[in-house]
Amino acid sequence: GIQVEQSPPDLILQEGANSTLRCNFSDSVNNLQWFHQNPWGQLINLFYIPSGTKQNGRLSATTVATERYSLLYISSSQTTDSGVYFCAVERDAGGTSYGKLTFGQGTILTVHP
Amino acid sequence: GAVVSQHPSRVICKSGTSVKIECRSLDFQATTMFWYRQFPKQSLMLMATSNEGSKATYEQGVEKDKFLINHASLTLSTLTVTSAHPEDSSFYICSARDVGGNRAYEQYFGPGTRLTVT
Repeated sequence: GIQVEQSPPDLILQEGANSTLRCNFSDSVNNLQWFHQNPWGQLINLFYIPSGTKQNGRLSATTVATERYSLLYISSSQTTDSGVYFCAVERDAGGTSYGKLTFGQGTILTVHP
Repeated sequence: GAVVSQHPSRVICKSGTSVKIECRSLDFQATTMFWYRQFPKQSLMLMATSNEGSKATYEQGVEKDKFLINHASLTLSTLTVTSAHPEDSSFYICSARDVGGNRAYEQYFGPGTRLTVT
């Protein structure tokens, strides 16, 4: 199956700092999503980004599909950004989508005031 | 839009009993829903794909007789953990995708159900 690796596994920041989270994957994908899992376990959709660049407020993401990686940028971090960030991908099965997402191990972000 | 709910959010049951978890897409139709399991401090693992009107497909290593899935309508899938044991204690999360939307591959997740088997 497809392999998904996220780095770093843990990240500690002071409020106001910027950060970059990385997601490497081992095969072509037709879906790549970034999620933030809050302390109650809810997965919050951040980006649907199988390719290209998107921005939403202080967050932005870039996926370079040909090189099989995606980056999530968090600028001016806030304490409410703390939590686990997951990257999840669906392998491209020749145009057919079965919807099976494979998750990375996540990055645990802690933002201190 | 694209809201997925789960019920219950938390359940405690005795060993040997069965527990049913519901997953609903509230504002869209989902012909396919997915069930994941997450152990503490670990990532999500796909358990099975729930298909409306047909049998679920299970990932390798997941016991289909233990984790019964029923997808009876375009907005509801249920997961029943049968004869639960303490090792079944986990966080169960469902997802669905809005194939009628313009981002048909994007998945939306429910808030999860924390199961504790005593």
